[in-house]
Amino acid sequence: EAQVTQNPRYLITVTGKKLTVTCSQNMNHEYMSWYRQDPGLGLRQIYYSMNVEVTDKGDVPEGYKVSRKEKRNFPLILESPSPNQTSLYFCASSLTGVSDEQFFGPGTRLTVL
Amino acid sequence: GQQLNQSPQSMFIQEGEDVSMNCTSSSIFNTWLWYKQDPGEGPVLLIALYKAGELTSNGRLTAQFGITRKDSFLNISASIPSDVGIYFCAGQTILADGLTFGKGTHLIIQP
Repeated sequence: EAQVTQNPRYLITVTGKKLTVTCSQNMNHEYMSWYRQDPGLGLRQIYYSMNVEVTDKGDVPEGYKVSRKEKRNFPLILESPSPNQTSLYFCASSLTGVSDEQFFGPGTRLTVL
Repeated sequence: GQQLNQSPQSMFIQEGEDVSMNCTSSSIFNTWLWYKQDPGEGPVLLIALYKAGELTSNGRLTAQFGITRKDSFLNISASIPSDVGIYFCAGQTILADGLTFGKGTHLIIQP
């Protein structure tokens, strides 16, 4: 089944404790992206990747890192999480870019205390 | 980043009514997308628009890419209970490979 998977689905952590949210897709898509969703703000793009070893900042990249060492994986790294990073995070992938249909993962709800 | 103004923020309608929502921007977009998000799930693409003036339908849904390239609307005809959810517009500008989303329209249908 074609899908985007994210892990973990739920995470509660404390300020400053490094964490990684994994994202994997099995559709051989070139484009992958991370978004955060906050009430009243909609979805905001954090980082995106056009292909392996190619990553770019989205609208809200501060406090996040990403890597794209393999085509299928696009982990989101929070080196020193802070409470304002409490949010619902979505990973998405598409064939070549945002104008193609993006397939979204199920979301990761992160709480930073 | 770019900003998209999506309205209305929420809609309370009766089943069977038609729905209209829109997005505007001060920037020119070369792609407009409309997504729907059901509770507890990620967004799903409804309609994609690639040319100014383009009018595209998907069942009871119709969307248009504005002539000025700064706006788009989505219409839903004869709403049914499963139309409930959050609808997002999203756009891509010529200058970037990223995607900007509107803040969403919450659609609530009263039986």
